[in-house]
Amino acid sequence: GQNIDQPTEMTATEGAIVQINCTYQTSGFNGLFWYQQHAGEAPTFLSYNVLDGLEEKGRFSSFLSRSKGYSYLLLKELQMKDSASYLCAVSDLVDYKLSFGAGTTVTVRA
Amino acid sequence: DAGVTQSPTHLIKTRGQQVTLRCSPISGHKSVSWYQQVLGQGPQFIFQYYEKEERGRGNFPDRFSARQFPNYSSELNVNALLLGDSALYLCASSLVGQSTDTQYFGPGTRLTVL
Repeated sequence: GQNIDQPTEMTATEGAIVQINCTYQTSGFNGLFWYQQHAGEAPTFLSYNVLDGLEEKGRFSSFLSRSKGYSYLLLKELQMKDSASYLCAVSDLVDYKLSFGAGTTVTVRA
Repeated sequence: DAGVTQSPTHLIKTRGQQVTLRCSPISGHKSVSWYQQVLGQGPQFIFQYYEKEERGRGNFPDRFSARQFPNYSSELNVNALLLGDSALYLCASSLVGQSTDTQYFGPGTRLTVL
């Protein structure tokens, strides 16, 4: 099975940087996804890491360390519209399913 | 191109009733997965289908069933509804359902059981 942990809430100021950590324990790891979910809406894909290292996409970056079972999502130049829940999800090699953490609610303040 | 579509958007049922939720994947995607999301939690995996075959099943009771049609659309059925089945039901599609495929989510069906 999978055990995925991420902080419940984070607050940051507009224009700042926030780092959301995710740790996981899984038997058949085959990649880690980050999704953004605004209240009442569906999750939208942000990033995917399968190899160790940093993936950068504009203001968002995601890092993975497979040996440590650790990932983070970095949000730069925060905007009010970035206020949302950020979901860490681990892909299982055998079961083809995504196992999600509970999500981190990020609140951006002016 | 249209994204994943789901119907209905909202649904209100009473305990003991049955419900059918529908999902159409992104054009060209052959795999559909279903997830249940309770308020304040991440989505929980229910089923994955690929080429009309069930490929994976999560830890849900037999009251939950699904199927995939030749056009790759899918239905999720829940029988004998319980209050605890109230949740957002999400459908996600991917190209072939491999573990490295990105899953794209539909807007969800909000089910309320009274």
